[in-house]
Amino acid sequence: TQLLEQSPQFLSIQEGENLTVYCNSSSVFSSLQWYRQEPGEGPVLLVTVVTGGEVKKLKRLTFQFGDARKDSSLHITAAQPGDTGLYLCADRSGNTGKLIFGQGTTLQVKP
Amino acid sequence: DAGVTQSPTHLIKTRGQHVTLRCSPISGHKSVSWYQQVLGQGPQFIFQYYEKEERGRGNFPDRFSARQFPNYSSELNVNALLLGDSALYLCASSLGLLVETQYFGPGTRLLVL
Repeated sequence: TQLLEQSPQFLSIQEGENLTVYCNSSSVFSSLQWYRQEPGEGPVLLVTVVTGGEVKKLKRLTFQFGDARKDSSLHITAAQPGDTGLYLCADRSGNTGKLIFGQGTTLQVKP
Repeated sequence: DAGVTQSPTHLIKTRGQHVTLRCSPISGHKSVSWYQQVLGQGPQFIFQYYEKEERGRGNFPDRFSARQFPNYSSELNVNALLLGDSALYLCASSLGLLVETQYFGPGTRLLVL
């Protein structure tokens, strides 16, 4: 069974700081996805990466996929209070629609 | 267009009771998946339904069951509730069985006392 481990589990920073969160898999990713979940809401897809070494940018968010496709990072530049939330990485399991999630990184950005 | 909707938003039950949670997918989406999210953890897959048939099941006891209706809406049923069933239950819809993007609803917060 594939396990996704995210670190750190909790991060509290001041507005304007940079941060990086990580996601590591016990096996090669099929199709890695990053989500953000705000309190009282469901997860919202931020990005999907499939190619080893791939880098994708979404405004102040930079997503990197490891060459071996077993690890990924999410870097946020100049964090804002609106970035506060739970960041989840997920992989699609085999030939199904099932998503396997990591336990998440809770980010708090203080004004 | 409306997103995924779930009802009720919150629910309080006692141990041993039964609960039914409902989900309406985005219009045109034929696949619905259910996830359980315990506080402080990532969502865990419970079921996937596509074209009214079960296409995937997670590691949950038989107390959990689900079905999908001809209009593609879905129900999740949990019997003989335990304290450990307290969680946020999320529904996600997608166009097809293997489509990459799943859209999540806001969830139903279940508290079992």
